[in-house]
Amino acid sequence: GQQVMQIPQYQHVQEGEDFTTYCNSSTTLSNIQWYKQRPGGHPVFLIQLVKSGEVKKQKRLTFQFGEAKKNSSLHITATQTTDVGTYFCGGGTSYGKLTFGQGTILTVHP
Amino acid sequence: DGGITQSPKYLFRKEGQNVTLSCEQNLNHDAMYWYRQDPGQGLRLIYYSQIVNDFQKGDIAEGYSVSREKKESFPLTVTSAQKNPTAFYLCASSIWTSSYNSPLHFGNGTRLTVT
Repeated sequence: GQQVMQIPQYQHVQEGEDFTTYCNSSTTLSNIQWYKQRPGGHPVFLIQLVKSGEVKKQKRLTFQFGEAKKNSSLHITATQTTDVGTYFCGGGTSYGKLTFGQGTILTVHP
Repeated sequence: DGGITQSPKYLFRKEGQNVTLSCEQNLNHDAMYWYRQDPGQGLRLIYYSQIVNDFQKGDIAEGYSVSREKKESFPLTVTSAQKNPTAFYLCASSIWTSSYNSPLHFGNGTRLTVT
């Protein structure tokens, strides 16, 4: 079945450093979604990418969807302590189902 | 405010007992989902439902059952057949379209501990 791998599993950064998490699918995706889960909380939708090669920005966050629609990345510029949490990618193929990566746990040291 | 309500937040059961987790939404969403979250394994889909009185198995449906008698409600029963039931369970809902995956709205989750 479809697999979505996400790396790294953990990332520790100093406040102000950049952070990137990568998502790779075993199959071509129709779309990819990114979610953030704060410690003790639930996943919250950040963004959806649909087009090949698409790049979207939300303030310090940059999301990319690969040309082959099998990989994606989330980059945070100049991390802040409020960025702490687990970032998940979810890849969609057949409608109704998202397959999530394992998540990247980000800790930010002030 | 519109949202998804999961109850209870924490649930404790003895091994061999069935337990039902509640999920209610007032977002008027057609689709509802149950995910299980374990450390290091991300979110794994248990069951999902696109419309009332219909549901499909996800990737890890064994040992679980669901019902969808009302649009607003999608309860999950963890049966005694589930070998490792201790986990964090998340319910989600979304608009249903046939052309793409709509963003998921998650509830606050239920942490189930079975001893």
